[in-house]
Amino acid sequence: AQSVTQLDSQVPVFEEAPVELRCNYSSSVSVYLFWYVQYPNQGLQLLLKYLSGSTLVKGINGFEAEFNKSQTSFHLRKPSVHISDTAEYFCAVSDWGAQKLVFGQGTRLTINP
Amino acid sequence: GAGVSQTPSNKVTEKGKYVELRCDPISGHTALYWYRQSLGQGPEFLIYFQGTGAADDSGLPNDRFFAVRPEGSVSTLKIQRTERGDSAVYLCASSLWGYNSPLHFGNGTRLTVT
Repeated sequence: AQSVTQLDSQVPVFEEAPVELRCNYSSSVSVYLFWYVQYPNQGLQLLLKYLSGSTLVKGINGFEAEFNKSQTSFHLRKPSVHISDTAEYFCAVSDWGAQKLVFGQGTRLTINP
Repeated sequence: GAGVSQTPSNKVTEKGKYVELRCDPISGHTALYWYRQSLGQGPEFLIYFQGTGAADDSGLPNDRFFAVRPEGSVSTLKIQRTERGDSAVYLCASSLWGYNSPLHFGNGTRLTVT
């Protein structure tokens, strides 16, 4: 069965500092990988996705993630964060050809001025 | 354009009662999903529809939970004999058909069972 582990439940960083949110998955088959973001009082929205091809994926708002098959990881990064990036971030995985997503527990990113 | 709409936004009910949660997907989206998010957890898959039929209901926790989508658009999640453990945010999402189509989520219905 698939599973997703987000290693940090909370990550506090200062504004304009770099950030990495860690995600590891387990699956017996090839996968698609996603990061979703949930801003306060809003629904989940897609940040970026990896389906195939280049392992470095760029998303909205300056975020990027790198798929590492050997380490079964899909860590999310941003070189310089802003106050507006304060949100909950969810990593998710689905099997090739499958429709349902399995989500991690989420990482709460807090940006301090 | 209009996003995924879920009603009500909040629902408080007593243990043992029946509740219905409604989801209006984005027009033209053939796939519709229900997830449940408990406090401090990520969304947990319940069921998804392709058109009118439930393509995968493996996430429904027990037979108290049931969902329908009779005309391939609006969906209703039905919970019978509610229990306190059913308290959570119920999320609906829709997408175009295809494994690489992003899910568009609604803001959820917060269900509290007292």
